[in-house]
Amino acid sequence: DIVMTQGALPNPVPSGESASITCRSSKSLVYKDGKTYLNWFLQRPGQSPQLLTYWTSTRASGVSERFSGSGSGTYFTLKISRVRAEDAGVYYCQQVREYPFTFGSGTKLEIK
Amino acid sequence: EVQLVESGGGLVQPGRSMKLSCAASGFTFSSFAMAWVRQAPTKGLEWVASISYDGGNTYYRDSVKGRFTISRDNAKSSLYLQMDSLRSEDTSTYYCAMGWFDYWGQGVMVTVSS
Repeated sequence: DIVMTQGALPNPVPSGESASITCRSSKSLVYKDGKTYLNWFLQRPGQSPQLLTYWTSTRASGVSERFSGSGSGTYFTLKISRVRAEDAGVYYCQQVREYPFTFGSGTKLEIK
Repeated sequence: EVQLVESGGGLVQPGRSMKLSCAASGFTFSSFAMAWVRQAPTKGLEWVASISYDGGNTYYRDSVKGRFTISRDNAKSSLYLQMDSLRSEDTSTYYCAMGWFDYWGQGVMVTVSS
């Protein structure tokens, strides 16, 4: 199985600052079609997860431009610009390159 | 508006069975793969199973293979998860998710305990 390893954040992050979350995979997430199958989600307290980005860097419908995904191969980053109170929660990366799909353990973002 | 509404959860004894349902609306259900993802209390997300748009292909995590069955009824826009031989470690909130996890339901709690 592909293991997803997420980094931590120096919480709390001051409102208006930027925050970057890292995610590493134990195997390249590039598929034979050339796309990199890495998703990012935000799970706010008491809510279901929400898709933020897919294919590493494509924002999902309705997601703020303050969220930007980047990376390639086995190393990925989600950057949140000008963080707001509503960005608080747990962020997960997920690989959907192959079954079984696997998630990172989550990175908590607290806002000051 | 995409809506996914799970039902069928509750308290069940170890070794017994339970069937979850997910009613979908707001999109062409028969065109999308679907999945179940679970989350144990205070833990992270764990993919459970996926099914292709037509039900022809199914995929499971090893820990549920042979015990859980994912299925769908495209005429009813519904997704199902039949869970047999339940164990305490299956205790989780179960979410259904559309496509490549674009949208999620609100989740349903399953507690396996005697």
